[in-house]
Amino acid sequence: DVQMTQSPYNLTASPGESVSINCKASKSISKFLAWYQQKPGKPNKVLIYDGSTLQSGIPSRFSGSRSGTDFTLTIRSLEPEDFGLYYCQQHNEYPFTFGSGTKLEIK
Amino acid sequence: TLKESGPGILQPSQTLSLTCTFSGFSLSAHGMGVGWIRQPSGKGLEWLANIYWNDDDDYYNPSLKNRLTISKDTSTNQAFLKISNVDTADIATYYCARINRHLGYFFDYWGQGVMVTVSS
Repeated sequence: DVQMTQSPYNLTASPGESVSINCKASKSISKFLAWYQQKPGKPNKVLIYDGSTLQSGIPSRFSGSRSGTDFTLTIRSLEPEDFGLYYCQQHNEYPFTFGSGTKLEIK
Repeated sequence: TLKESGPGILQPSQTLSLTCTFSGFSLSAHGMGVGWIRQPSGKGLEWLANIYWNDDDDYYNPSLKNRLTISKDTSTNQAFLKISNVDTADIATYYCARINRHLGYFFDYWGQGVMVTVSS
């Protein structure tokens, strides 16, 4: 199975700041990584897929990048509504695997 | 939209039956699929199984493969997951989510989840 190592575990930032969340795959997954946002009482939302493709309807302050097996989700100009949990998921091969999650708290 | 339903609580060794009722797409349409993912309280996401529009195409997490059965009913727009011989390790919120293989093998729409407890 592909192990996804996600960091950091917790993140606190102020509105207007930029933050980055990282996921490292244990082996090559090509570009096939998705990022999800999880908020209480709402369905999980895909933000980015194929490493850097912005899902329709997602604000452009979210972006994804890849360097080999390292993937980064960057949120620029944080908005208060961006708090929540963020997960990466490799969608290159079965079994699909998720990162352990990052909790983003807004100051 | 997708909506999960289940028994809420069941006893150890029983079989958990979950239903995903969806609208806005058809599981008989080329490229469409539904997956099941679970999340124990306060923990991360675990993928369980996927089923696709073509009847020969379903996939299971090997860690639970011999306990899982995924199926679908295209006439009622539902997908199902059965987990046999449950125990307390199966306590979790269970989600169903759509896959559109024309975009890729990720989950583009999710249900809100259904909580399942195992208790004697």
